[in-house]
Amino acid sequence: DGGITQSPKYLFRKEGQNVTLSCEQNLNHDAMYWYRQDPGQGLRLIYYSQIVNDFQKGDIAEGYSVSREKKESFPLTVTSAQKNPTAFYLCASSTGGPNSNTEAFFGQGTRLTVV
Amino acid sequence: AQSVSQHNHHVILSEAASLELGCNYSYGGTVNLFWYVQYPGQHLQLLLKYFSGDPLVKGIKGFEAEFIKSKFSFNLRKPSVQWSDTAEYFCAVNAMDSSYKLIFGSGTRLLVRP
Repeated sequence: DGGITQSPKYLFRKEGQNVTLSCEQNLNHDAMYWYRQDPGQGLRLIYYSQIVNDFQKGDIAEGYSVSREKKESFPLTVTSAQKNPTAFYLCASSTGGPNSNTEAFFGQGTRLTVV
Repeated sequence: AQSVSQHNHHVILSEAASLELGCNYSYGGTVNLFWYVQYPGQHLQLLLKYFSGDPLVKGIKGFEAEFIKSKFSFNLRKPSVQWSDTAEYFCAVNAMDSSYKLIFGSGTRLLVRP
């Protein structure tokens, strides 16, 4: 099945610990995105990557880091510097590019709870 | 920088009522526009999209949206809602420049009463 896989679905961590959320896609998409979803705030862009070995900060990148070593993988690390990490995290991918006319496809999300 | 505004945060309708959800964006260049829906407990899925051509686009489940360039708007409509339309709806904009950031609005929670 083609799609985007996020793991794990639920994640609990102690305050002060870094945690890495996984996102894998087998759609052969160039662009990948990480969003954070909080009630009443919609989806806010954390980081995005247009191509392998390249990524840009989104609107709320502070306290997060990413890597894009492979086309199919775009892991997100929530660091201890993120002041309010408890949230629902969504990964997406698309063919990307200014001449691309396709939508983004989303994973099922990871709900991170920091205690 | 591009941004997206959704005017209604919560909408409550009775079945068979008509629906219109507002979406305005700010970006001076060419854009792709989307409406996504998130049903309770499910992942985000595409409702409809506008890339070019006819500004009135039709999506799944009887939804449609109209792109009005002069108003920077892409409002979502459905003539008669059903209980199963209860969900959260998100408008999104993809700037067709070198960044191709995909930005979402804050969402509208729709509750349809049977």
